[in-house]
Amino acid sequence: QKEVEQDPGPLSVPEGAIVSLNCTYSNSAFQYFMWYRQYSRKGPELLMYTYSSGNKEDGRFTAQVDKSSKYISLFIRDSQPSDSATYLCAMSANGNKLVFGAGTILRVKS
Amino acid sequence: EAGVAQSPRYKIIEKRQSVAFWCNPISGHATLYWYQQILGQGPKLLIQFQNNGVVDDSQLPKDRFSAERLKGVDSTLKIQPAKLEDSAVYLCASSYLPFNEQFFGPGTRLTVL
Repeated sequence: QKEVEQDPGPLSVPEGAIVSLNCTYSNSAFQYFMWYRQYSRKGPELLMYTYSSGNKEDGRFTAQVDKSSKYISLFIRDSQPSDSATYLCAMSANGNKLVFGAGTILRVKS
Repeated sequence: EAGVAQSPRYKIIEKRQSVAFWCNPISGHATLYWYQQILGQGPKLLIQFQNNGVVDDSQLPKDRFSAERLKGVDSTLKIQPAKLEDSAVYLCASSYLPFNEQFFGPGTRLTVL
C-alpha cells in the first residue's frame, strides 16, 4: 500500500465549476499537508500549505485536512481553463521530507 | 528573483551510458533536493543537501546514482550506468532552510533507450 493515494483522473469539468481533489494517506505521523500545481513540462509550484487539521482558504482555493479520516481535499471555486494542470498532494511528518501523491490531471473546458 | 535553473532540459541516451544533470538553486538557499518523477507518479526524493553536506540519501540507488554539491551552491546528479527504468524527469528544488517552502526547477527529462 502506498503511503499517499491520489486518483490520477483525468478530471474534466466545465469552466466555472467547483472542483474537488482528494488524497488519502496511511501514515498517522504526517502533520504538514501541501498541494502543488504542475503545468506540463514545468516543475511543481506550491499552492496551499496546512499544518495539522482544519481548513485554509486562499482566493478561489480551499484546503481541508481531516486527520481522523486521513483524508485531505483541495477545492477550486469558479474554475478557469488556466487551472488545467496536474495537482499533487504532498505530506510530511516533520515539515521537511515530502511524500507526494501521484497527481490528479484536471482539465477545465471553456 | 531568479528561479531554480536546471540543464539540460532534455537528454536521450542508450542504456549503460552515463549522464549528468546540473542544478543551480535560488541564491541564498541552503537546502537543495533532487527528485525523480516517473511518468504518472509524484516526485520521489532522491537526495537532500544542507549546504554541501548530505542530509538524506536513503532513496538514492547508490550503485548507479551519485550526487554532489561542492561549495554548497550548484549541484550535479550523475547516473552511471543508466537503465531503462531510469527514464523520468529529474527535478531539482531548493529552500532557504529545510522546513521552508521548496521551489522547483523545470526538470530534466531523461529518456533511456
